[in-house]
Amino acid sequence: DTGVSQDPRHKITKRGQNVTFRCDPISEHNRLYWYRQTLGQGPEFLTYFQNEAQLEKSRLLSDRFSAERPKGSFSTLEIQRTEQGDSAMYLCASSLTDNTEAFFGQGTRLTVV
Amino acid sequence: AQSVSQHNHHVILSEAASLELGCNYSYGGTVNLFWYVQYPGQHLQLLLKYFSGDPLVKGIKGFEAEFIKSKFSFNLRKPSVQWSDTAEYFCAVMNTNAGKSTFGDGTTLTVKP
Repeated sequence: DTGVSQDPRHKITKRGQNVTFRCDPISEHNRLYWYRQTLGQGPEFLTYFQNEAQLEKSRLLSDRFSAERPKGSFSTLEIQRTEQGDSAMYLCASSLTDNTEAFFGQGTRLTVV
Repeated sequence: AQSVSQHNHHVILSEAASLELGCNYSYGGTVNLFWYVQYPGQHLQLLLKYFSGDPLVKGIKGFEAEFIKSKFSFNLRKPSVQWSDTAEYFCAVMNTNAGKSTFGDGTTLTVKP
């Protein structure tokens, strides 16, 4: 499968713990996006990268959230000191260039207990 | 900030009925427009897209959408739905200056056999 891959698919963590998610985009896709989706809502933009450069961060991304794409390939999203409100599906998407369609991964479902 | 409004949260149809899902957006500049579909247990998949040219675009599985610039709308249509079209449908708008997409909250379509 050469689509967008996310790991893990599910994560249950205790409040206050740190978690890290990984996203492997489609090969040669320059753009990589992170979105968050909660029940009954559409995906909400968190941040995106053009190669290794992080171009924009949403106000939703508090200082407990950090994302990296060190070599312009895979990306990680870390949440420190998790809170119950962080429980959501975290989606990664990639696109070949800017202004082209994005392809989504299966998502990582985070549950904070 | 741009926003996307999907008017129907839940639509229930019988097989062979015609479908139209509304999508309106607020942004005065140049946009790219998308409809994504999410089948139960699966990831978001692109249904169709509009970048430029003919405002009536055709997608997979018999879906089509019409971009009406004056109405800031991009409604999705299908003349005859099937049970397998049961899914959640998301409209997304990309501001070509920003390069990221804003999603609506989705419409859940249930098709009764």
